Amino acid sequence: AQSVTQLDSQVPVFEEAPVELRCNYSSSVSVYLFWYVQYPNQGLQLLLKYLSGSTLVKSINGFEAEFNKSQTSFHLRKPSVHISDTAEYFCAVSMNRDDKIIFGKGTRLHILP
Amino acid sequence: GAGVSQSPRYKVAKRGQDVALRCDPISGHVSLFWYQQALGQGPEFLTYFQNEAQLDKSGLPSDRFFAERPEGSVSTLKIQRTQQEDSAVYLCASSPTLASQRPQHFGDGTRLSIL
Repeated sequence: AQSVTQLDSQVPVFEEAPVELRCNYSSSVSVYLFWYVQYPNQGLQLLLKYLSGSTLVKSINGFEAEFNKSQTSFHLRKPSVHISDTAEYFCAVSMNRDDKIIFGKGTRLHILP
Repeated sequence: GAGVSQSPRYKVAKRGQDVALRCDPISGHVSLFWYQQALGQGPEFLTYFQNEAQLDKSGLPSDRFFAERPEGSVSTLKIQRTQQEDSAVYLCASSPTLASQRPQHFGDGTRLSIL
């Protein structure tokens, strides 16, 4: 069975500082990996995804994540955060492109002024 | 075009009442998913439709939960004899054809509160 672990429930970081949100997964088969973001009182939005190919994937707003098969990780990073990045971030995995998604418990990113 | 639309946005019900939550997927999307997101948790899978066929309902927590998609577009999630533990945000998601590389598109959810 697949599972996703996000060890940090909350991460405080100063504005313009770098941030890393950790994600580890377990699966006996190849998986597809996602990061979703949920802004306050809004639905989930896809931030970035790894389906195949390059292990480093990037979003349009400066986030990036690297798929590391040996460490079964898919950590999310941003070199300089902005107040608008305040949100909850969910790491997720699925076996197929259109299969159900297994989510982690989420990491709340607090941006400090 | 419009995204995934869910209604109502908020629903308050008394324990024991039946509720029905609606999901309008993106037009033409074949797959439709329901998830339950409890407070402070990540979404958890409930059930999955491919067109009108319910292919996976392994996540439904009890036989009080029932979902349908009779014409392969709009879907309804029904909860009978609601309990306090049913309080959560219910998310609907849709995705295009099976061959698509695009992942699921989520609605804003219905926040259900059982008093």
